[in-house]
Amino acid sequence: GAVVSQHPSRVICKSGTSVKIECRSLDFQATTMFWYRQFPKQSLMLMATSNEGSKATYEQGVEKDKFLINHASLTLSTLTVTSAHPEDSSFYICSASPLGTVTGNTIYFGEGSWLTVV
Amino acid sequence: GEDVEQSLFLSVREGDSSVINCTYTDSSSTYLYWYKQEPGAGLQLLTYIFSNMDMKQDQRLTVLLNKKDKHLSLRIADTQTGDSAIYFCAETGKAAGNKLTFGGGTRVLVKP
Repeated sequence: GAVVSQHPSRVICKSGTSVKIECRSLDFQATTMFWYRQFPKQSLMLMATSNEGSKATYEQGVEKDKFLINHASLTLSTLTVTSAHPEDSSFYICSASPLGTVTGNTIYFGEGSWLTVV
Repeated sequence: GEDVEQSLFLSVREGDSSVINCTYTDSSSTYLYWYKQEPGAGLQLLTYIFSNMDMKQDQRLTVLLNKKDKHLSLRIADTQTGDSAIYFCAETGKAAGNKLTFGGGTRVLVKP
């Protein structure tokens, strides 16, 4: 079946540095991918919609200059957390769906990436 | 924006049935989902239901949808210790495409 891969699965970075997380659809193309964030013991909140070939659409309250999203191809979206701080430590997870599908079982999530900023 | 609400915690004895409830506000919801998340892990899609259905059964899982009341439930029959996890209800509306709104999650603890 369709697979979405995220990398890295876990990353520790120093405060003030930037870290990039990749979301890749392995066997399908996706014009749109979604990035979610989950704080410990909380729910998943949509951060932004990544649009292939155009700017991402950010949800209210999400700083676009801090969370840079690039969707340069139909199979890859990247989320870069710039100038990371400890409060950015979280679980980041992406989802993608094959082109043209809006049906119940075609939303595929990556494995998620645990970011710890020290 | 749209809202999805769940109870926080459910404790159940092994072998009993678990029922997790969810309410939502989006009247244009097209699909509703149940995901399972184990500690330190990602999301596992358990099941989903289309908004024109009122019930879906898949092995030990039964989903009931009351569209009038905007109420969704997940029943797990013969609950096992491996079912201990956080369960998220989520929905996507007609205009939202594949963008999901999640509930806060229900932590299910199965006691032997």
